[in-house]
Amino acid sequence: DSGVTQTPKHLITATGQRVTLRCSPRSGDLSVYWYQQSLDQGLQFLIQYYNGEERAKGNILERFSAQQFPDLHSELNLSSLELGDSALYFCASSVGQESYEQYFGPGTRLTVT
Amino acid sequence: AQSVSQHNHHVILSEAASLELGCNYSYGGTVNLFWYVQYPGQHLQLLLKYFSGDPLVKGIKGFEAEFIKSKFSFNLRKPSVQWSDTAEYFCAVNAKMDSSYKLIFGSGTRLLVRP
Repeated sequence: DSGVTQTPKHLITATGQRVTLRCSPRSGDLSVYWYQQSLDQGLQFLIQYYNGEERAKGNILERFSAQQFPDLHSELNLSSLELGDSALYFCASSVGQESYEQYFGPGTRLTVT
Repeated sequence: AQSVSQHNHHVILSEAASLELGCNYSYGGTVNLFWYVQYPGQHLQLLLKYFSGDPLVKGIKGFEAEFIKSKFSFNLRKPSVQWSDTAEYFCAVNAKMDSSYKLIFGSGTRLLVRP
């Protein structure tokens, strides 16, 4: 157990819908990272927040957004969902903002039908 | 662009065989290197990491990796694999891109260990 929690574990929804994935970092960690893992794209970095502020951006679609709240938990919002968005979404956390040694959560498996 | 290459996508070994998984990266600056493992149905776990110092690093579960700067490589090794090592292994590089550090993952190597 890494100490990073994610909810829900599984999510099934229809195309065009919007979902919110939630992540709580390890105690004391200020950075939260979001990754998408799919069969064709592998593990892709989406976005990082550090202490409430966006710190780094990766291959995140405009239909996706994230935020980090004052209690440091983070939410990833996925809207206008497409079949291709079906993937495993991982959250990770680290102490600092330079992504040294990240700890990963169990992931949310999103299925878009 | 910075990238991480894992040469073997699938590896099948028998128990007690030796393992070496290749990882090469393209980045000219200072890097931090990692190997993560993902057991079936589970999240990624850190196996080992290299920041600086001795280029031969030892991780959990008998794994080790060697950083060879001249070859831009960070290969993972284990002298004798077990059935429980069946998993997917990811090499990752922490590199500075667009003024911030990002963890770039390789495409992964699926290891199947036959009993």
